[in-house]
Amino acid sequence: EPEVTQTPSHQVTQMGQEVILRCVPISNHLYFYWYRQILGQKVEFLVSFYNNEISEKSEIFDDQFSVERPDGSNFTLKIRSTKLEDSAMYFCASSERSAGGPYEQYFGPGTRLTVT
Amino acid sequence: GNSVTQMEGPVTLSEEAFLTINCTYTATGYPSLFWYVQYPGEGLQLLLKATKADDKGSNKGFEATYRKETTSFHLEKGSVQVSDSAVYFCALIAASGGSYIPTFGRGTSLIVHP
Repeated sequence: EPEVTQTPSHQVTQMGQEVILRCVPISNHLYFYWYRQILGQKVEFLVSFYNNEISEKSEIFDDQFSVERPDGSNFTLKIRSTKLEDSAMYFCASSERSAGGPYEQYFGPGTRLTVT
Repeated sequence: GNSVTQMEGPVTLSEEAFLTINCTYTATGYPSLFWYVQYPGEGLQLLLKATKADDKGSNKGFEATYRKETTSFHLEKGSVQVSDSAVYFCALIAASGGSYIPTFGRGTSLIVHP
């Protein structure tokens, strides 16, 4: 069964450093998403991406964040200058369609980001 | 805005015990309701859903009924197994302006002992 994969599973970085989290969505999916979950908190939406551009983003997704689909398979989340409060589990998801109904999103296993 | 509140975990049960994980919500409009499950080392997987009042979603022995009058979507299973140990997330989608982004709760960890 196709699945969303994410790398690395755990990333440790120092405050102020740039990190790139990588995701490989399911191959025939067209919509891609990033979420995060700070330990003990709720899963929060960051951004959705369709047709090579951002379709929605939350207040959390500020200028420190960017997303890219550099080739036909990868979907990346970049944090330019990490802060301690960026420490969280980051989930990538993809779905076949979005408009017209709540189509199921398929989630990856997550990348745990630790900023020291 | 939209929000989902789940009971705090962890919930610890013995095998074959009855499970209830409470979930209540606030939403503008008429939301669809979901339960996701995350097994250790894996991503969130859709467990069940309900799209209108009084609908019952069910899968793998789990059930949840959409209660509009109490704004609740409690997850139940009559007899849990060790393999049900996971984190369970309640979520809603209340389409607004064409957005179908889910709002999640914090997740409830379930630990089932043999």
